[in-house]
Amino acid sequence: EAQVTQNPRYLITVTGKKLTVTCSQNMNHEYMSWYRQDPGLGLRQIYYSMNVEVTDKGDVPEGYKVSRKEKRNFPLILESPSPNQTSLYFCASSWVGAGNSPLHFGNGTRLTVT
Amino acid sequence: QKEVEQNSGPLSVPEGAIASLNCTYSDRGSQSFFWYRQYSGKSPELIMFIYSNGDKEDGRFTAQLNKASQYVSLLIRDSQPSDSATYLCAVMPKSNDYKLSFGAGTTVTVRA
Repeated sequence: EAQVTQNPRYLITVTGKKLTVTCSQNMNHEYMSWYRQDPGLGLRQIYYSMNVEVTDKGDVPEGYKVSRKEKRNFPLILESPSPNQTSLYFCASSWVGAGNSPLHFGNGTRLTVT
Repeated sequence: QKEVEQNSGPLSVPEGAIASLNCTYSDRGSQSFFWYRQYSGKSPELIMFIYSNGDKEDGRFTAQLNKASQYVSLLIRDSQPSDSATYLCAVMPKSNDYKLSFGAGTTVTVRA
């Protein structure tokens, strides 16, 4: 089944404790992206990747890191999480850029930072 | 000014009626426009895209684009309770094929 898999689905952590949210797609998509969704603000792009080893900042990259060492994986790293990073996170992928082909979203990761 | 703006709603319509959702965008050079549907607790899924001025129909859904006025709309005809969801407008700016800006979404409730 074609899908984007994120893990974990739920995560509660404390301020400053490094964490990684994994994202994997099995559709051989070149483009992958991370979004956060907050009430009243909608989906905001954190980082995106056009292909292996090619990444760029989105609208809200502060406090996040990403890497794209393999085509299928695009982990999101929070080196020192803070409470303002409490949010619902979505990973998404598409064949080419997000503006040219449909985005396929993962099921989301709800992160709470206390 | 936000890049993409939508009425947050909620928009409540009776079953069988037409639901009309509006979206405006700030980048006049924007090229591609999308509507995603998000059920409560679920991830967004693409339902429509439109690139050219005018109307595009797909089943009960019609997307309308007016680049001169910088707005895109979505009409849902013969609304069904299963259409109850949040609808997200997304716009690709002229300058970047890899960036998609989303509106905050309009929540639609279809009353049976």
